Amino acid sequence: DSGVTQTPKHLITATGQRVTLRCSPRSGDLSVYWYQQSLDQGLQFLIQYYNGEERAKGNILERFSAQQFPDLHSELNLSSLELGDSALYFCASSATWDRDYLYEQYFGPGTRLTVT
Amino acid sequence: AQSVTQLDSQVPVFEEAPVELRCNYSSSVSVYLFWYVQYPNQGLQLLLKYLSGSTLVKGINGFEAEFNKSQTSFHLRKPSVHISDTAEYFCAVSVEETSGSRLTFGEGTQLTVNP
Repeated sequence: DSGVTQTPKHLITATGQRVTLRCSPRSGDLSVYWYQQSLDQGLQFLIQYYNGEERAKGNILERFSAQQFPDLHSELNLSSLELGDSALYFCASSATWDRDYLYEQYFGPGTRLTVT
Repeated sequence: AQSVTQLDSQVPVFEEAPVELRCNYSSSVSVYLFWYVQYPNQGLQLLLKYLSGSTLVKGINGFEAEFNKSQTSFHLRKPSVHISDTAEYFCAVSVEETSGSRLTFGEGTQLTVNP
C-alpha cells in the first residue's frame, strides 16, 4: 500500500459525458501528479500540482482539467469524453522536504475509465 | 526534453535464471533514473532509483541497476528470478526541479518467468 488513494476504482460512462477522478496523496506530500496509461500511448504525464498550484503540464487535452484543494487532495476532471479517453488514470505524490525523496513518486492503484 | 527507450518489449525467462532488462535514455541535462514495477491490475511500485553517487544501486526484491553515463543506460538486473517477478517493468527519468519533477516513462518490458 503506497498510501495514495484514488476513487473510484472503475468508471464506465458514455461518450460526451463528464467525470471526476479523485486522489488523496500520502500524508504530508505536497506534490501530486496525474498520469494516463493506455495501450497505444503508454504511460504519459498529464499535470502536476504543488501545494495547490499548477506546476507543470504535459500531454493534457483541453477537455481535461485538474485542481488541488487546500487539504491537498486533487481531482482530475474529464469532459466531452471520447472513446479514446478510455484508459487507466494514475495519481502519484512525492515528498518535498528531503531531496532524496523529492523525486520518488508513490502511485495510487488507479482509476480505470471505460468510455462506451 | 527527455526520452526513454526500453529495448525489449517482452522478456521470457525460466525460474532461477538471471535476467537483464535494458533501458537507454536521452537528455540534454542531468537526469534522475528509476525503475518501477507494475503487477497486473495494480499501480506502479518503485523498485530502485539513481540520484547521484554510486552507479550501482540496489533495490527491493533483489533487483539492482547500473547507471552508465557514457552509454546513457540504466539496465535492471536480477541474478535469479522467481515466478512472482512476472510483471511489467518501467524505466523512467526525471530532471531536477525544486518541487519535484514529472516522470518520463519508457514503453515497458513485460517480464514473464516460466517454471
